Amino acid sequence: GENVEQHPSTLSVQEGDSAVIKCTYSDSASNYFPWYKQELGKRPQLIIDIRSNVGEKKDQRIAVTLNKTAKHFSLHITETQPEDSAVYFCAASKGNYQLIWGAGTKLIIKP
Amino acid sequence: KAGVTQTPRYLIKTRGQQVTLSCSPISGHRSVSWYQQTPGQGLQFLFEYFSETQRNKGNFPGRFSGRQFSNSRSEMNVSTLELGDSALYLCASSLAGGGLREKLFFGSGTQLSVL
Repeated sequence: GENVEQHPSTLSVQEGDSAVIKCTYSDSASNYFPWYKQELGKRPQLIIDIRSNVGEKKDQRIAVTLNKTAKHFSLHITETQPEDSAVYFCAASKGNYQLIWGAGTKLIIKP
Repeated sequence: KAGVTQTPRYLIKTRGQQVTLSCSPISGHRSVSWYQQTPGQGLQFLFEYFSETQRNKGNFPGRFSGRQFSNSRSEMNVSTLELGDSALYLCASSLAGGGLREKLFFGSGTQLSVL
């Protein structure tokens, strides 16, 4: 069945450095790719999303890139800060009414 | 606007029992979806409701069921609880103009422990 693979499962970076999280999807019909951030003990929140008619989208220090041919998309965080520490989830749409989720990446920002 | 509200926040049950979880979406949101979250497994999709109709269902056994009321509030029921059902159950609401291809607003979840 359709799945989304997310790597790495844990990522530790020095404060101020960049972090990249990658996801690969299997359903070529997927056309919506959101990223959610879940801080410890809190609810997931949407941080950025991209649709298949766009190759890249930026929002301040966060960017997402999409490669439809290779069926993968990536989250890029530049100039990381302590408040970026969280678990990040990617997802890919399946039809109109379902999202297939990655297993999550725990991002640790080292001071 | 009030956010998505889930009750109860914590539940402890024993094997074989059943449980009902509640989710009140943001006012005006008509779609409610449910997820099971366990460490290392991410978010597993359970089902999605819109206007009292289940539009999609994930790969969970029939012990997991849900419904949505005319005011968009939703309930999820798990019957004959198993130890493996211990998890955080999250619901999310959206306007549903674009199905789930739009921003989801999550509740704080119900932490279910099955002993």
